[in-house]
Amino acid sequence: RKEVEQDPGPFNVPEGATVAFNCTYSNSASQSFFWYRQDCRKEPKLLMSVYSSGNEDGRFTAQLNRASQYISLLIRDSKLSDSATYLCVVHRRAAGNKLTFGGGTRVLVKP
Amino acid sequence: ETGVTQSPTHLIKTRGQQVTLRCSSQSGHNTVSWYQQALGQGPQFIFQYYREEENGRGNFPPRFSGLQFPNYSSELNVNALELDDSALYLCASSIDTGWEFFGPGTRLTVL
Repeated sequence: RKEVEQDPGPFNVPEGATVAFNCTYSNSASQSFFWYRQDCRKEPKLLMSVYSSGNEDGRFTAQLNRASQYISLLIRDSKLSDSATYLCVVHRRAAGNKLTFGGGTRVLVKP
Repeated sequence: ETGVTQSPTHLIKTRGQQVTLRCSSQSGHNTVSWYQQALGQGPQFIFQYYREEENGRGNFPPRFSGLQFPNYSSELNVNALELDDSALYLCASSIDTGWEFFGPGTRLTVL
C-alpha cells in the first residue's frame, strides 16, 4: 500500500463549478500536510499547507481529518487556469525529513 | 520563480552510461533535496543534503549518489543508467530542512 494515495482522475469540471477530492495517508505519525499544484511538464509548486482546523485561500479550501487520515481540497468557482495535477504531500521528520507525494489528481476545467 | 535552477534542462543517455545533474539552491538556502518523478506518478524522494552532509535517503540503489558543495549547490550522479531511470529529476531547496521550493527539473531520457 502506498503511503499517500490519491484518485488519479481526471476530474472533468465545468467552468464555474465546484470540485473536491481527497487524499489518504497511511502513517498516523505524519506531521505536516500540503497541497502542491503541478502543471504539465513543470515543477510542483506549493498551493497551500493544510491545518487541522481547516484553512482557506481564496477559492481553495483544505481540510485535514487526522482520525480518518485523509486530506481534502475543494476548489470553488473553477477557472480554466485551475486545470492541473494536484499533489497531496505529507511530511514526517522521522522519515528522513522527506516529503512524500501522492500520485496526483488531474483536474480539467472546461468551458 | 523560486530561484532554484537546474542544469541541464534535457538530457539523453544510453543504458550503462553515467550522468551528473546539477542544482543551484535559492540564495540563503542550505538544504537540497532530490526527487525522481516518472511519467504519470508523483515525485519520489531520492535523498537530501543539509550543510554538505546527507540527511536522509529514500529507497534508491547506491548507484544514485549525491554531493553538496560549500555554496550549497548540489549534484546528483547516477551510474549504470537503466531504462527505468528515465524521469524528471527535481531539486528542491529550503532553509534548515524547512519548506521546500522546487527547481524546473531535468528531464532525463535513457535509451
